[in-house]
Amino acid sequence: GAGVSQSPSNKVTEKGKDVELRCDPISGHTALYWYRQRLGQGLEFLIYFQGNSAPDKSGLPSDRFSAERTGESVSTLTIQRTQQEDSAVYLCASSLDWGGNTGELFFGEGSRLTVL
Amino acid sequence: GEDVEQSLFLSVREGDSSVINCTYTDSSSTYLYWYKQEPGAGLQLLTYIFSNMDMKQDQRLTVLLNKKDKHLSLRIADTQTGDSAIYFCAERAGSNTGNQFYFGTGTSLTVIP
Repeated sequence: GAGVSQSPSNKVTEKGKDVELRCDPISGHTALYWYRQRLGQGLEFLIYFQGNSAPDKSGLPSDRFSAERTGESVSTLTIQRTQQEDSAVYLCASSLDWGGNTGELFFGEGSRLTVL
Repeated sequence: GEDVEQSLFLSVREGDSSVINCTYTDSSSTYLYWYKQEPGAGLQLLTYIFSNMDMKQDQRLTVLLNKKDKHLSLRIADTQTGDSAIYFCAERAGSNTGNQFYFGTGTSLTVIP
């Protein structure tokens, strides 16, 4: 597709289960970001991938959170042993990340996670 | 991360101007952005300003940047009901691992017919 695609769009899970969220960035975009948006709050940075460089994981809130990206394509965000406070919308964005570019982020519609 | 702050809510009457304000902390920011999020949708870039500019106008949108005070504003002229959305301010700060973006909490704009 032409835009950033995320799946699933909605996920309801029980506390303690693991979940995987997927992001397909725009083809050719070297940078990929994951953000978390809790109800009534702003975007919280989680992790950033840039090409083949080591990812910036500084925003991951705990070791229950991890993410992978294969080359410059699909990324998966995994949350292990989910807790109720993990309930949020998880947004993925991609970007052409090179010097001189305005750095516009293209966002997917998000994956809404509800932990019961 | 950097602190980007916005007021949470703004309500205006249709046809009036809306002004959404934002403060940020990183003086080395290269670009500053305004994103719009409509209900149930992802964020979309509305406009941006390079840090060496103090004003940018784009149709009904005017962005003002005060670098000294680290203050950014978005003015929407002749606000329409379709402008009702959440508006996020964001700054782009370079780092040794690439470019990082920091977002504000978002301002929910309600346009009253």
